[in-house]
Amino acid sequence: DQQVKQNSPSLSVQEGRISILNCDYTNSMFDYFLWYKKYPAEGPTFLISISSIKDKNEDGRFTVFLNKSAKHLSLHIVPSQPGDSAVYFCAASARQTSGSRLTFGEGTQLTVNP
Amino acid sequence: DAGVIQSPRHEVTEMGQEVTLRCKPISGHDYLFWYRQTMMRGLELLIYFNNNVPIDDSGMPEDRFSAKMPNASFSTLKIQPSEPRDSAVYFCASSFGGGHSDTQYFGPGTRLTVL
Repeated sequence: DQQVKQNSPSLSVQEGRISILNCDYTNSMFDYFLWYKKYPAEGPTFLISISSIKDKNEDGRFTVFLNKSAKHLSLHIVPSQPGDSAVYFCAASARQTSGSRLTFGEGTQLTVNP
Repeated sequence: DAGVIQSPRHEVTEMGQEVTLRCKPISGHDYLFWYRQTMMRGLELLIYFNNNVPIDDSGMPEDRFSAKMPNASFSTLKIQPSEPRDSAVYFCASSFGGGHSDTQYFGPGTRLTVL
């Protein structure tokens, strides 16, 4: 039972354009969402997060949008750079029921072409 | 700080053998997490500890898997006996605090191949 799903295994965009990575979840108890980025042969690193009381959070070139009614979140990267090429994982947590547990999606491989 | 340290980085073993993966969390962190990454399921939480005590092991796939944290600076994940379906990348992560906004820092992972 995959509670967090990233339906696109891969995404390819041109440098300078916008990258949009999508994530869907099924557990209505999730109240905090995160994105992690992973380069080959390295562990995931935290990128950006959003609480369920917000619908948008922005950090430089990265913006996360949350649509609670649709149980959907997305990560926008503008403008995309070749160094953004990595696997991006969406994650969610439910403070009241799951404590410190993070539930991750399958990941999306982003390739930014020069 | 050196970050989370994992060893070995790569492990190749034969079915039926015992495998032990090791992790040294970031000094001062009180939470430690073990994850497994596969293509099909992405990152799955196996178990996590708080102050060396296992809190949630519901992600441990079966009795062949066990994890220990004898002290604040060391943890092991053991698979005995190993099977080909255990082949995956295993990550250790640590955090200071277990709340939502407490960032988990991941190690580089151990790539396990069971033949």
